[in-house]
Amino acid sequence: ETGVTQSPTHLIKTRGQQVTLRCSSQSGHNTVSWYQQALGQGPQFIFQYYREEENGRGNFPPRFSGLQFPNYSSELNVNALELDDSALYLCASSSRVWNTEAFFGQGTRLTVV
Amino acid sequence: SQQGEEDPQALSIQEGENATMNCSYKTSINNLQWYRQNSGRGLVHLILIRSNEREKHSGRLRVTLDTSKKSSSLLITASRAADTASYFCATDVGPYNNNDMRFGAGTRLTVKP
Repeated sequence: ETGVTQSPTHLIKTRGQQVTLRCSSQSGHNTVSWYQQALGQGPQFIFQYYREEENGRGNFPPRFSGLQFPNYSSELNVNALELDDSALYLCASSSRVWNTEAFFGQGTRLTVV
Repeated sequence: SQQGEEDPQALSIQEGENATMNCSYKTSINNLQWYRQNSGRGLVHLILIRSNEREKHSGRLRVTLDTSKKSSSLLITASRAADTASYFCATDVGPYNNNDMRFGAGTRLTVKP
C-alpha cells in the first residue's frame, strides 16, 4: 500500500461537463504527476506539478489543467468533457531526488456518456 | 507519446514456472521502473533500475538492463496465481526525476493454478 490516495474512485459525467479529480501525495514527496490510461493501453503523461507550478506537460490540450496545494496534494481538472476522455486517471507521487521511485494511487475511473 | 514496448503482449504459464517479460525503448533514460497492475487498478511499483546498473533483484524478481540495446527484462521466478496481472515498464526521460515517464502497452501475464 502506498500513501497516495485518489478520489473519487469512480465517476460518470456527461459530455461537455467539467470534472475535478483529487490526489494526495505520499508523505515526504513534493511532486505529483498525472497520467491518463485508456483501456488496454499504458499510462500517458498529462503533466507534473512541483512547488505548486506545472513542471512539464504531455500531449494534452489546455482543457486539461491542474493545481498543486501547499501540502503537495493536487487536482486534475478537465473541462468540456469528450467521450474519448473516458479512462483511468492515475496520479503518481515522487520526490525531486534523482532515481527514486514514483508511487501511484489506485486511480479514478472516469466514464463520459 | 509512448516509448516503451513490452514483449510479449500476453503470456500464460503454470504456477511454479518462471515468467520473463521484455521491454524495449528508444531514447536515453535516467532509469527504468517496472510496475504491476491488477484489473485496471492502480500501478504497484516493483523495482527501479538506474541507467548505470545492469541487474537488480527483489525477492522473486530479477531485472536486467542493457542500455546498449535499449532493453530491459523482468523475470518472475516460481510464479504464483497471485502474480496474474499486467506488467509495465516505464522509462524516465524527463529533465527532472519521474518527469514524463513513458510506458508501453504492457504484458498481460496469466498464471494458472
